[in-house]
Amino acid sequence: DAGVTQSPTHLIKTRGQHVTLRCSPISGHKSVSWYQQVLGQGPQFIFQYYEKEERGRGNFPDRFSARQFPNYSSELNVNALLLGDSALYLCASSHGEGSGNTIYFGEGSWLTVV
Amino acid sequence: RKEVEQDPGPFNVPEGATVAFNCTYSNSASQSFFWYRQDCRKEPKLLMSVYSSGNEDGRFTAQLNRASQYISLLIRDSKLSDSATYLCGGDQAGTALIFGKGTTLSVSS
Repeated sequence: DAGVTQSPTHLIKTRGQHVTLRCSPISGHKSVSWYQQVLGQGPQFIFQYYEKEERGRGNFPDRFSARQFPNYSSELNVNALLLGDSALYLCASSHGEGSGNTIYFGEGSWLTVV
Repeated sequence: RKEVEQDPGPFNVPEGATVAFNCTYSNSASQSFFWYRQDCRKEPKLLMSVYSSGNEDGRFTAQLNRASQYISLLIRDSKLSDSATYLCGGDQAGTALIFGKGTTLSVSS
């Protein structure tokens, strides 16, 4: 079975541009969450979606938005990119929501903002 | 105080050594904890989950102390292939996992 898949794997954007990152969860998983990991830090929680509804939001500005589609795939959108948005963006999926649900990460999307 | 804090690294140990990492958490409502392994420029991969007092899987043992709010990871008989960054994560309000910065382990021959 395929794991969590993300696209694109690498991308370079200019300050002020917009980016859309995509994620397909493991088959049967209904929860998708997004994390940002900058070099030398642990993953920082951005959003969680379950059954197409937002269930949690981390401490990120409104430039960050996300959504989940009927097939449980998800998109993360970032507007007005800043240099500090350069990071590895990780998507993770789990079967359900709530504690005890193990999350599995995709390989991530490396975003460089120049 | 950060929600999840880990031992500062790097830990440099010889093959065969036993090494232990500690992780403290501040949210007493957290129920589930996880150790992930992350290789350089790769995604985190689940190593162990810890729901009750502890969990053991081969050379790896994780323990949870709710009274003191810490989780530990013990690696016995270290292998060169254990070299990686180890991330500790705890659930927050039953949704997201909150991670520490990670601890880097380097095992040398």
